[in-house]
Amino acid sequence: KAGVTQTPRYLIKTRGQQVTLSCSPISGHRSVSWYQQTPGQGLQFLFEYFSETQRNKGNFPGRFSGRQFSNSRSEMNVSTLELGDSALYLCASSLRGGLSSTDTQYFGPGTRLTVL
Amino acid sequence: AQTVTQSQPEMSVQEAETVTLSCTYDTSESDYYLFWYKQPPSRQMILVIRQEAYKQQNATENRFSVNFQKAAKSFSLKISDSQLGDAAMYFCAYQGSNYKLTFGKGTLLTVNP
Repeated sequence: KAGVTQTPRYLIKTRGQQVTLSCSPISGHRSVSWYQQTPGQGLQFLFEYFSETQRNKGNFPGRFSGRQFSNSRSEMNVSTLELGDSALYLCASSLRGGLSSTDTQYFGPGTRLTVL
Repeated sequence: AQTVTQSQPEMSVQEAETVTLSCTYDTSESDYYLFWYKQPPSRQMILVIRQEAYKQQNATENRFSVNFQKAAKSFSLKISDSQLGDAAMYFCAYQGSNYKLTFGKGTLLTVNP
């Protein structure tokens, strides 16, 4: 079974621009979560989507948003990019996500975003 | 809010030897799950092992095992017969009723040949 895939793997943007990252979950998985990883803050939860609905959200400004499609693929959007948004963005998928907190999350390879 | 602490920023081990990585956590929940994830230089986060808090038996996956002490809120990872491919950043993570993972800061493991 194919793992979680994320595109693009690397991205360079300038301040003020916006960016969209994509995540395709493991086949059959309906929950997708997003995490931001930076050297200073470590790994932080952004949000979780299940059946096209955002079910949980971390402490990030409204510039960070996402959506999920009927095939469970998810996109994350960051508007008005700031230098501090430079990070590795990881997406994770699971079968039922927050419907059952017992699920294990499986991660994709990440998208490395650099903001200049 | 839950917190996860990894007190060892870096550890090193000789190939074929055993190493233990430490993790403590704080929570008021009684049901939760604990994980160790490995992140090699490729940056792919790979699941190493999972422990259910309601299980007293420590989880084991081949060369990897945990020492779960619920009362002490401690969750250490033991890697036996260390291999060069084990070199990576190791993250301890907590998953409670709100499902989201809370990670420690990580321990960088170096394996010396």
